Amino acid sequence: ETGVTQSPTHLIKTRGQQVTLRCSSQSGHNTVSWYQQALGQGPQFIFQYYREEENGRGNFPPRFSGLQFPNYSSELNVNALELDDSALYLCASSPWRGGHTEAFFGQGTRLTVV
Amino acid sequence: GQNIDQPTEMTATEGAIVQINCTYQTSGFNGLFWYQQHAGEAPTFLSYNVLDGLEEKGRFSSFLSRSKGYSYLLLKELQMKDSASYLCAVRDNENRDDKIIFGKGTRLHILP
Repeated sequence: ETGVTQSPTHLIKTRGQQVTLRCSSQSGHNTVSWYQQALGQGPQFIFQYYREEENGRGNFPPRFSGLQFPNYSSELNVNALELDDSALYLCASSPWRGGHTEAFFGQGTRLTVV
Repeated sequence: GQNIDQPTEMTATEGAIVQINCTYQTSGFNGLFWYQQHAGEAPTFLSYNVLDGLEEKGRFSSFLSRSKGYSYLLLKELQMKDSASYLCAVRDNENRDDKIIFGKGTRLHILP
């Protein structure tokens, strides 16, 4: 158990819909990152939030957006869902931005777009 | 841009030693991680290297050469439970953005 919790664990959505995924970071961690992991692939970096501000973004379109709240929990929002968005979405938290710190992962949300 | 390469699959025998290599290209290198991921589970942290050399932690060791853009994860006394995917990941601070970029992972199969 890493102390990072994600909800929901599984979700099925229809193409064109919008989805919100949630992540509660480990106590004391102020940095949250989101990843998309397709089957058989490594996690792909979506973006990172540090103290409620986005401070790093991967190659994902603007329809992928996020928020971090004062308690450092976070949301990932995806608009206009496409079939290729079907994947495991992982959230990871770490004690501070950068530095020699590992990221602790949640169990992920399995999103299926039909 | 960033690029991380590691073998797709490897097979080894229980009790043996296996080395998983990783090469990377990145502009703002600030450390390299190895994670283990069992099927259907989240990645779990194994090691972190930011300086050249070998870091040993029990049965697992990780090596880094920054000049060569190269790392390896060494697993000794292999056990069946070591069957998993092993992910090489690089922290990149290019343009003051902070991101951890993962490779595609190496699926390790352990044979009895």
